[in-house]
Amino acid sequence: DADVTQTPRNRITKTGKRIMLECSQTKGHDRMYWYRQDPGLGLRLIYYSFDVKDINKGEISDGYSVSRQAQAKFSLSLESAIPNQTALYFCATSDSAVRGSYTFGSGTRLTVV
Amino acid sequence: GNSVTQMEGPVTLSEEAFLTINCTYTATGYPSLFWYVQYPGEGLQLLLKATKADDKGSNKGFEATYRKETTSFHLEKGSVQVSDSAVYFCALRSGDYKLSFGAGTTVTVRA
Repeated sequence: DADVTQTPRNRITKTGKRIMLECSQTKGHDRMYWYRQDPGLGLRLIYYSFDVKDINKGEISDGYSVSRQAQAKFSLSLESAIPNQTALYFCATSDSAVRGSYTFGSGTRLTVV
Repeated sequence: GNSVTQMEGPVTLSEEAFLTINCTYTATGYPSLFWYVQYPGEGLQLLLKATKADDKGSNKGFEATYRKETTSFHLEKGSVQVSDSAVYFCALRSGDYKLSFGAGTTVTVRA
């Protein structure tokens, strides 16, 4: 099983709908992140969480919300989806005790029509 | 704030050609620098990293040296293969452990 699992892998939704993207991890990492990837823009940070009670906005948090249900679970919600939220979304984890690298999920491709 | 600038793609090469992808950064303090690779349909994987000035990261034939004087971390490979076709991202991590990414460079290697 993957260390960082994202569901769903692909999703098409209509404008105005609420949608939740889920992320779970078996790495035991305390920190979790949501990024979106757009062509030519790289990855941009939406929200990050350093532990269950510590959630912070990233550079592009408008239109998104998150929930850290447990150390291993971090979900991203689009309250009212709009077409410019069409993107590839990645969840990532890191360990605060180790100055190492991040572990990324395989991504969720979201299309808002 | 922190930022990463990497050369625009796409880059198309023939097998066994030399690959360079330029990356420069702006950051406060002493960031750690990374190269991530994204193969088609997959997530990002760490390719190599360097945590202090003059460190050289290397993996799978790729190398990059942390140059503080030029604020650069250019990626190089001496002889690419078709399997190296991917999107490459330069990234930095500041003291608060958030990653900042460049725009990505798409590399296509033709047989």
